[in-house]
Amino acid sequence: GENVEQHPSTLSVQEGDSAVIKCTYSDSASNYFPWYKQELGKRPQLIIDIRSNVGEKKDQRIAVTLNKTAKHFSLHITETQPEDSAVYFCAASYNQAGTALIFGKGTTLSVSS
Amino acid sequence: GAVVSQHPSWVICKSGTSVKIECRSLDFQATTMFWYRQFPKQSLMLMATSNEGSKATYEQGVEKDKFLINHASLTLSTLTVTSAHPEDSSFYICSAPSGTSGRTYNEQFFGPGTRLTVL
Repeated sequence: GENVEQHPSTLSVQEGDSAVIKCTYSDSASNYFPWYKQELGKRPQLIIDIRSNVGEKKDQRIAVTLNKTAKHFSLHITETQPEDSAVYFCAASYNQAGTALIFGKGTTLSVSS
Repeated sequence: GAVVSQHPSWVICKSGTSVKIECRSLDFQATTMFWYRQFPKQSLMLMATSNEGSKATYEQGVEKDKFLINHASLTLSTLTVTSAHPEDSSFYICSAPSGTSGRTYNEQFFGPGTRLTVL
């Protein structure tokens, strides 16, 4: 089955700096790669996703890049703000009904002002 | 649209008792729902796939007789933790994919989670 590795496990940056979180996946058939932000005790919140037919997607300060050949994808947050502090999870799955997401272990991002 | 609810949001029970958690899709139908478990400071681990009208599919290492799943309708799945023990204390989250309204299948919508504490 699918296995998703995520690095780093913790990341501390200064406000205004950029943050990059990287994930690799094992199953070459996976074609859907979402990123979630989770605050303590709450549900995961989708912040951006990418499908295998594109290499990059951007939404304001957040971008995701995908390299299918190398089987890795990355989350880029620019101009970080203290409210970006949270746990971020990457995930992978097939893009079809009935397929669950397999999550990476998470990255705790701390943005200090 | 695409709202998933869970009930209860938290529950405390004694060791040996059973606890039922409900997951509902409020504004869409879900033939499939997923149950995850999240221990403190860890990731979401898939427990099982709940299928409307058929048996659930459990992940390796998850005891199907302990975690009973019933997908009673197109909008409701329940997870019953039987004979709960302290090590079952965790955050249980359900999700459902919405394949309607132009969305692709695998955009998952998560419930708010249920915090289970077994004394």
